Amino acid sequence: AQSVTQLGSHVSVSEGALVLLRCNYSSSVPPYLFWYVQYPNQGLQLLLKYTSAATLVKGINGFEAEFKKSETSFHLTKPSAHMSDAAEYFCAVSDGNTGANSKLTFGKGITLSVRP
Amino acid sequence: DADVTQTPRNRITKTGKRIMLECSQTKGHDRMYWYRQDPGLGLRLIYYSFDVKDINKGEISDGYSVSRQAQAKFSLSLESAIPNQTALYFCATSDPRRPNQPQHFGDGTRLSIL
Repeated sequence: AQSVTQLGSHVSVSEGALVLLRCNYSSSVPPYLFWYVQYPNQGLQLLLKYTSAATLVKGINGFEAEFKKSETSFHLTKPSAHMSDAAEYFCAVSDGNTGANSKLTFGKGITLSVRP
Repeated sequence: DADVTQTPRNRITKTGKRIMLECSQTKGHDRMYWYRQDPGLGLRLIYYSFDVKDINKGEISDGYSVSRQAQAKFSLSLESAIPNQTALYFCATSDPRRPNQPQHFGDGTRLSIL
């Protein structure tokens, strides 16, 4: 069975500062990993995904994440935060036995606040 | 038009009522999923269906049932709603022929049970 840990429920950064949202996973098979963003009162939007190709994955809106097998991590970063980045972010791992896009296990989510 | 449509978008109802949430998709995907989102808990899988004849329980299926009426339709029912089923519910689809493509999510149904 797979699991995802997102430490902390809230991160606050200043506009222009580095954004770092942490995600650690557990999986008995090679994992497929995802970051989703949810803006207030909206649905889920895929930021980026790792499906066993390049370990450094670039996504939308300037976000990227690096898959580190030795650390079982998939942390999300953005060099310079923008006010529009304020949202809730979810890390997720899929059941590798049934495909990268199969049933997902989500972390509990991290709320990102951006201070002017 | 949205590829994955959930109806209703919002619903307020009373304890003990039977409720059905509907999901329809135009993507032609075989696989469909129901998740619920609770503050501080993320999203959790309720039920999933890999094709019309295949339905499986997820992590939190107690109190819920589903029906896969066709490839394009996957309904979630609460037979006797209780307040702790108040949550945001998401339907999603995926295509097993394109395993590197992510799941597609609907916009969610916000359900409140009084």
